[in-house]
Amino acid sequence: DQQVKQNSPSLSVQEGRISILNCDYTNSMFDYFLWYKKYPAEGPTFLISISSIKDKNEDGRFTVFLNKSAKHLSLHIVPSQPGDSAVYFCAASVAGTASKLTFGTGTRLQVTL
Amino acid sequence: GAVVSQHPSWVICKSGTSVKIECRSLDFQATTMFWYRQFPKQSLMLMATSNEGSKATYEQGVEKDKFLINHASLTLSTLTVTSAHPEDSSFYICSARTGPSYEQYFGPGTRLTVT
Repeated sequence: DQQVKQNSPSLSVQEGRISILNCDYTNSMFDYFLWYKKYPAEGPTFLISISSIKDKNEDGRFTVFLNKSAKHLSLHIVPSQPGDSAVYFCAASVAGTASKLTFGTGTRLQVTL
Repeated sequence: GAVVSQHPSWVICKSGTSVKIECRSLDFQATTMFWYRQFPKQSLMLMATSNEGSKATYEQGVEKDKFLINHASLTLSTLTVTSAHPEDSSFYICSARTGPSYEQYFGPGTRLTVT
């Protein structure tokens, strides 16, 4: 039972353009969402997060949008840079569960020149 | 800050032997540590959650007698894969959390290959 889904396994974007990575979830108890970036053979690196009481959080080139009614969140990267090429995971957590994270399946982003 | 290390980064062992993987928080005290495994092209699957000085809480389907977790101090947790078999070959990643924050800081992972 995949509670967090990233339906696009891969995405290719030209340098300078916007990258939009999507994530859907089924568990309405999730109240905190995070995005992680992962390079091969390395652990994930935290990028940005959002609480369910917000619908947008911005940090530099990264913005996360949350649509609770649709159980959907997205990560926008603008402008995209070649160094952004990696696998991006969204993760979700439920309050009171010791911050256990449920990860999506990941989207491989390739930023081309 | 918030650096987590893992050792070893990769290990090859023979079927039937045991392997220990260490996870350390280098510059903070980790109240909680998590162990994940990742198969190729798949998501990170949480195996267990451990708090310093107490028994680990295992996720459904994870054999606690096979995957022994010890969280001996606020900076060290170990995962021992006992009687390893080829199907245990995977990428094992630990993470650590300090305080009530949702954010977890991940180690670089350990690639285990069982022959």
